[in-house]
Amino acid sequence: SAVISQKPSRDICQRGTSLTIQCQVDSQVTMMFWYRQQPGQSLTLIATANQGSEATYESGFVIDKFPISRPNLTFSTLTVSNMSPEDSSIYLCSAPDEGNYGYTFGSGTRLTVV
Amino acid sequence: GDSVTQMEGPVTLSEEAFLTINCTYTATGYPSLFWYVQYPGEGLQLLLKATKADDKGSNKGFEATYRKETTSFHLEKGSVQVSDSAVYFCALSPGSGTYKYIFGTGTRLKVLA
Repeated sequence: SAVISQKPSRDICQRGTSLTIQCQVDSQVTMMFWYRQQPGQSLTLIATANQGSEATYESGFVIDKFPISRPNLTFSTLTVSNMSPEDSSIYLCSAPDEGNYGYTFGSGTRLTVV
Repeated sequence: GDSVTQMEGPVTLSEEAFLTINCTYTATGYPSLFWYVQYPGEGLQLLLKATKADDKGSNKGFEATYRKETTSFHLEKGSVQVSDSAVYFCALSPGSGTYKYIFGTGTRLKVLA
């Protein structure tokens, strides 16, 4: 199975600042996904990131707030911009585990905005 | 549209008790079904999966059977341990070329010694 290294694991940020989260996959994957998990809730898909093209955002998420980069087939970043306390969540990246019919997830970034 | 309904928690059990976490789904095609587990402070880990009707997924003593007739994928374990305390997510992958997952709301399990 693919392994995803995600960092930082947690951060406490001031409102109005930005945080970039990185995910590194140990194998090449066509698609990567970014999720948000608000406190006590399930996962919500933010966007799908394909290498070489613009990310596709789900309803309620916009590129200006959550810019995504996908420079190659093993790496992606998500930036949470102009943060407010409502952005306090766990952010997870994911990629299809194509040999296993499942998904591999990063360990998550726990973001607290104060 | 496709959806996953999962029993609400929290579920609190004593060690060695039997566990069932209910999950039902709605899908128009032939989805694959998954259970993921999230231990405190960690990301999600695939626990088990089933890709077609009547398949049984199993791992670490957990089992779930893909029941098309009842559109269910209930998670079971015969004897839980304190270390099983976590949040469990049922998920559906619609297939048909899409990689998007649909997650249930998660069920928190707490096992007491």
